[in-house]
Amino acid sequence: EVQLLESGGDLIQPGGSLRLSCAASGFTFSNYAMTWVRQAPGKGLEWVSTITSSGSSTHYADSVKGRFTISRDNSKDTLYLEMHSLKAEDTALYYCAKTGPTILSSFDYWGQGTLVTVSS
Amino acid sequence: DIQLTQSPSSLSASVGDRVTFTCQASQDIANYLSWYQQRPGKAPKLLIYDAFNLETGVPSRFSGSGSGTDFTFTINSLQPEDIATYYCQQYDNLPHTFGQGTRLEIK
Repeated sequence: EVQLLESGGDLIQPGGSLRLSCAASGFTFSNYAMTWVRQAPGKGLEWVSTITSSGSSTHYADSVKGRFTISRDNSKDTLYLEMHSLKAEDTALYYCAKTGPTILSSFDYWGQGTLVTVSS
Repeated sequence: DIQLTQSPSSLSASVGDRVTFTCQASQDIANYLSWYQQRPGKAPKLLIYDAFNLETGVPSRFSGSGSGTDFTFTINSLQPEDIATYYCQQYDNLPHTFGQGTRLEIK
């Protein structure tokens, strides 16, 4: 059974930093691209970032480019999102999602999300 | 960026009804479109990929169709557990984009 377990969400002040983690199990993690998607309270889904299966290529939404860094450790079956210079508009539930073999795929499994609140 | 416009934004229907909603892309995305269901307080769930392929384990009352810029999602014989918001998503090109969602309620 595929499982994705996010952690690391917290209440953080504007300008602060945070690292999210997503522990994967139930599939061969190193064979799949992985993605972060966020959802602000009461709003729709917003793609944040995708990383290739090997980690050699990363892609970001314009809204987070230069502030967020996606990475993965295939030896630990874990996905990460380093978040810096956080803004109030980054407040959201952050989901990690298993992506297909390529970055241009649908997201077939999602975690339950970890909440990031940016507020003073 | 490719924009996806879903309509309607909300819909109320009765158990047993057939419901249909649409997703229009701002440019040709071939069949690179998925549909997700998000029940209240839950994570999204993939229902349909490549415009019309049913994800494993998803009930056959769900279906999708379309290609290019116009796509349709249908639920045959609506069930109470289908109360959710439904999103389309394109993966023809980065950035991945989602529609704004269609909220489905039961009368």
